[in-house]
Amino acid sequence: KNEVEQSPQNLTAQEGEFITINCSYSVGISALHWLQQHPGGGIVSLFMLSSGKKKHGRLIATINIQEKHSSLHITASHPRDSAVYICAVRGGGGADGLTFGKGTHLIIQP
Amino acid sequence: NAGVMQNPRHLVRRRGQEARLRCSPMKGHSHVYWYRQLPEEGLKFMVYLQKENIIDESGMPKERFSAEFPKEGPSILRIQQVVRGDSAAYFCASSLGLLNEQFFGPGTRLTVL
Repeated sequence: KNEVEQSPQNLTAQEGEFITINCSYSVGISALHWLQQHPGGGIVSLFMLSSGKKKHGRLIATINIQEKHSSLHITASHPRDSAVYICAVRGGGGADGLTFGKGTHLIIQP
Repeated sequence: NAGVMQNPRHLVRRRGQEARLRCSPMKGHSHVYWYRQLPEEGLKFMVYLQKENIIDESGMPKERFSAEFPKEGPSILRIQQVVRGDSAAYFCASSLGLLNEQFFGPGTRLTVL
């Protein structure tokens, strides 16, 4: 069974700051997802990665398969980025569905 | 191109009643996943289905819960004789294939009184 750990659990930053959220997992995977969830809201898929790096607007996601580690970066953060960011992995034994981290609660203050 | 649709968005049931949650995948997607998010907890996998087949139900409670994805129509997650502990947000996701990106629906928030 894959164990997915995220850090930090909570993060408060000022508008404009560079944000980094980390995710590590215990067993080799076939893919890693970064998801965004607003309070009481739905879940938006930000990235799916199996290697390297992806960029979309102000968001960048990287993954190091050998170290079993991924990071999500937000450049020029904005209050509308405030949300819970969830790392999820597929593969590594067990179920065919995703295994999720507990999420990082991000608050960006104006 | 509509995304993943779930209905109802909110569902209130009394203990002992049945809850039926529906999920219509994105157009062209034949793989459906159900996840549950209990209050103050993370998301947990429940079941993975393809059209007319349950592929993996290892995350689903053995009793009272069932899922189906018929040839025609939406996928249904059915909870019989609901209890207060079933109160949660239930999310459905769909993908083109097992190795493709999953797209999530808005969720159904079930409250059991």
